[in-house]
Amino acid sequence: DTEVTQTPKHLVMGMTNKKSLKCEQHMGHRAMYWYKQKAKKPPELMFVYSYEKLSINESVPSRFSPECPNSSLLNLHLHALQPEDSALYLCASSQGTIDTQYFGPGTRLTVL
Amino acid sequence: SQELEQSPQSLIVQEGKNLTINCTSSKTLYGLYWYKQKYGEGLIFLMMLQKGGEEKSHEKITAKLDEKKQQSSLHITASQPSHAGIYLCGADSWNNQGGKLIFGQGTELSVKP
Repeated sequence: DTEVTQTPKHLVMGMTNKKSLKCEQHMGHRAMYWYKQKAKKPPELMFVYSYEKLSINESVPSRFSPECPNSSLLNLHLHALQPEDSALYLCASSQGTIDTQYFGPGTRLTVL
Repeated sequence: SQELEQSPQSLIVQEGKNLTINCTSSKTLYGLYWYKQKYGEGLIFLMMLQKGGEEKSHEKITAKLDEKKQQSSLHITASQPSHAGIYLCGADSWNNQGGKLIFGQGTELSVKP
C-alpha cells in the first residue's frame, strides 16, 4: 500500500481565516513533506520532516506553520494567507529522506 | 544549484504512436525519478533510476539513465489516451539543509484517439 491521504480536497478561505491541511500515511515512512504547486509549474518543496523533526524549511513565510504530531500525521496550519498563496498543496512521504517519495492527491486551496 | 530541463514542454501524439520525453541535468544524477500527474491531482510514481546505463520498464513505459548519468529518457510505446498527463522528472539534490527532490518543468502529453 503506497497511499498518502490528504484532507480536505478543496479549501476556500478568506485572508483573515485560520485553517489546517491534514496529511496521513500508514506505510511506516519516517520522512514527510509539504510541497506547493502553482498552475503549469512543478511542485516546490516547502518543508521536510524526518523522524517527526523539522529538517528543511525552504524559507517559507511564517503564515504557513507545519506540525508533525506523530510519524503518520503531518499538518499544515494556515493563517493570514494572501491570494497569491492559492495553489495545490501536496503532501508526500518516504521511507527516509533519500528514498522514493509517494504523493497524496493534494488540497486545492483558494484564498479570497 | 542543480537544474533539470525537460523536452519537449508539450507533445500531442496520435493514439498508437511512440514518443520520447527527455530530462537533462546540469549535474551528475544520483537518483532520477519519473512521475506522472493528471491536472490538479497528485503525482504518481513511475520509476526510479540510479545506475548509469540502467533501464526500467513498466507496461508500455521505459525509462533509461545514460552512462554519464546526466540525462534520462522516458519512452512510451503504442500510446493510449490513458497515457495523457504531465510527466515530471525529479532528482535528488543536496544543500546545506540536507537532501531534497527537485523537478523539471514537466512535459504535457496529449494523446488523440
